[in-house]
Amino acid sequence: DVKVTQSSRYLVKRTGEKVFLECVQDMDHENMFWYRQDPGLGLRLIYFSYDVKMKEKGDIPEGYSVSREKKERFSLILESASTNQTSMYLCATSGTSGGREFFGPGTRLTVL
Amino acid sequence: GENVEQHPSTLSVQEGDSAVIKCTYSDSASNYFPWYKQELGKRPQLIIDIRSNVGEKKDQRIAVTLNKTAKHFSLHITETQPEDSAVYFCAARGSSGSARQLTFGSGTQLTVLP
Repeated sequence: DVKVTQSSRYLVKRTGEKVFLECVQDMDHENMFWYRQDPGLGLRLIYFSYDVKMKEKGDIPEGYSVSREKKERFSLILESASTNQTSMYLCATSGTSGGREFFGPGTRLTVL
Repeated sequence: GENVEQHPSTLSVQEGDSAVIKCTYSDSASNYFPWYKQELGKRPQLIIDIRSNVGEKKDQRIAVTLNKTAKHFSLHITETQPEDSAVYFCAARGSSGSARQLTFGSGTQLTVLP
């Protein structure tokens, strides 16, 4: 069974801080995704990666960047956190054929 | 890009009744349509999916139907139980760009009343 883990379940940061969220998967999946989940807005794609060192912008990339130095690890970076980035962040992975996505447990980030 | 709309946003049904959630999509070339269930405090989990070459798929009490002409697909849950209470998300995979990502609907909060 696919295991997708995220570095923290809960995180509290101050405005202007640099924030790192990390996602690790153990199934050798090519595709990795970062979403944010807000009530009434569903899951919105921030960035995704289909190979090491490759990245593509999703629907809401502003204020975020990503890093994929190893196949199993995909990091989301908030260069200067702002209060409107308070949200639930979900990582997901899928195989080459782009089938089902497997989600991590999520990180609830609060920016004060 | 792809756009997915989901209705209703909330749905309450009596235990034992059926529940139907509907989604429409914009990209006629979309070819993969999964449904995810998210229980409170947990990660989304795939419950059923359908590809564009199939019109209907069933798995015990849940079924998904796809109408490619109208560009809509629906989730049907029969004989609902309290443990079906959760948020349900539909999604579609479009054909633009690398075509590897899903576009999600806004979610439906289903409550099954005992």
